[in-house]
Amino acid sequence: DAKTTQPPSMDCAEGRAANLPCNHSTISGNEYVYWYRQIHSQGPQYIIHGLKNNETNEMASLIITEDRKSSTLILPHATLRDTAVYYCIVINYGGSQGNLIFGKGTKLSVKP
Amino acid sequence: DVKVTQSSRYLVKRTGEKVFLECVQDMDHENMFWYRQDPGLGLRLIYFSYDVKMKEKGDIPEGYSVSREKKERFSLILESASTNQTSMYLCASSRAGTGREKLFFGSGTQLSVL
Repeated sequence: DAKTTQPPSMDCAEGRAANLPCNHSTISGNEYVYWYRQIHSQGPQYIIHGLKNNETNEMASLIITEDRKSSTLILPHATLRDTAVYYCIVINYGGSQGNLIFGKGTKLSVKP
Repeated sequence: DVKVTQSSRYLVKRTGEKVFLECVQDMDHENMFWYRQDPGLGLRLIYFSYDVKMKEKGDIPEGYSVSREKKERFSLILESASTNQTSMYLCASSRAGTGREKLFFGSGTQLSVL
C-alpha cells in the first residue's frame, strides 16, 4: 500500500473550516484514500473515503487532486469536539482483508 | 447503534499472568482485528481474523495469540504478560467484501502490566 505524509499538527479556530492535507504521491490506480479520526481516549472513527472523485458526507468533504497524489479533508465548520488526531490511509481496495496501516496522523486542535 | 464492545476499559495485571482481552461486535461482521496503540508509534496491527477459527498475523504478533470460536467474539491472549505489553489495545471489526476497509472500533482497553 502507498505511504502517506501528513503534518504532525494543525490549529483551527472554532467555526472556521479545517483543511487537513495528505500527500500520497506513490498511490496506484486501484488504491483508495480513507480518513479516520481518533478523539482522545476513544477508538478511531471512520470519516470518509474516495477513489478519484470528490466526496461529501455528513461529517466532512474529501477533495482528491486530479493526479491523485494528494488529498484534503475538509471539516466545513469545525467545533471543539472535532479536536482529534486525523489519519489519512491509502489502501488497495481489493488486496487486503481490511487490515489498515495507521501512520501518526495530524493532531488537529480546534480553539475557541 | 452498531457496537464493538471491549470487556474492560482499564486492566492492571502482574508480570507473568495470563491475560484475556475480549471483544464482541453486534454487526455480524466477518472481519475482526486487534491493534495496540503506543505514544509516538501510532496503531499497530497484532492479529486479525476474517472468519470463525481463522486468524492471520499482523505486524507485531509476538507474545500474543488470538481465538475466534464465534463470529461475534474475538479474544486476544497474552500468555505471559510482560511490562512491554503495557499499552492501549483496540479491537475493530468490518464486513467482508466491499467496504472491508470501513472499520468500527471499540473504546479500547488500557492494560498496565506491573
